[in-house]
Amino acid sequence: QQQVKQSPQSLIVQKGGISIINCAYENTAFDYFPWYQQFPGKGPALLIAIRPDVSEKKEGRFTISFNKSAKQFSLHIMDSQPGDSATYFCAAKALYNFNKFYFGSGTKLNVKP
Amino acid sequence: DGGITQSPKYLFRKEGQNVTLSCEQNLNHDAMYWYRQDPGQGLRLIYYSQIVNDFQKGDIAEGYSVSREKKESFPLTVTSAQKNPTAFYLCASSFDRGVNTEAFFGQGTRLTVV
Repeated sequence: QQQVKQSPQSLIVQKGGISIINCAYENTAFDYFPWYQQFPGKGPALLIAIRPDVSEKKEGRFTISFNKSAKQFSLHIMDSQPGDSATYFCAAKALYNFNKFYFGSGTKLNVKP
Repeated sequence: DGGITQSPKYLFRKEGQNVTLSCEQNLNHDAMYWYRQDPGQGLRLIYYSQIVNDFQKGDIAEGYSVSREKKESFPLTVTSAQKNPTAFYLCASSFDRGVNTEAFFGQGTRLTVV
């Protein structure tokens, strides 16, 4: 079964708009939630990550919102730019017990100029 | 420069041939992973390894094999038993536990059957 569910599969946003990608998980042992950004033909790169002891983390135009009770977390990209056009993956992992990363299925973001 | 290196970047395989993809890391990471990515698809785990000389099957291990003889290296062999090997292969590494546990990815190997 899919441990991390991601939506939407694709997203088109106008330049300057807000891009929102959502993820949900079931396993309460997860305590590390990173987001990865992947450009075509490249490997994914860590964008931003959050632990469940905070409800929000912001780095520049990128914000993770985390709802522990709902077991959901989301990535918000403010003032979206064409250079943000990429595929975004959410993931989950348990920090202190070895556990493989569980990735969402990815969201392909296209920011229109 | 610390990082994770995959080679080759492009690889062509003939029908019935085994090929090996290289993955090397100098980050002193304990854990290493192999993922397969198909167009428009997410990352599917093939194999992972927590320590030297030990590895576990992921979700799609059939037709693949790995070895972990050194901490720095985790090569993946795509065997002739893998019927649909054309894909983008990603290697990753991480510390196995603790706060600095993010996964670092290589730049990928694109394998094509000819």
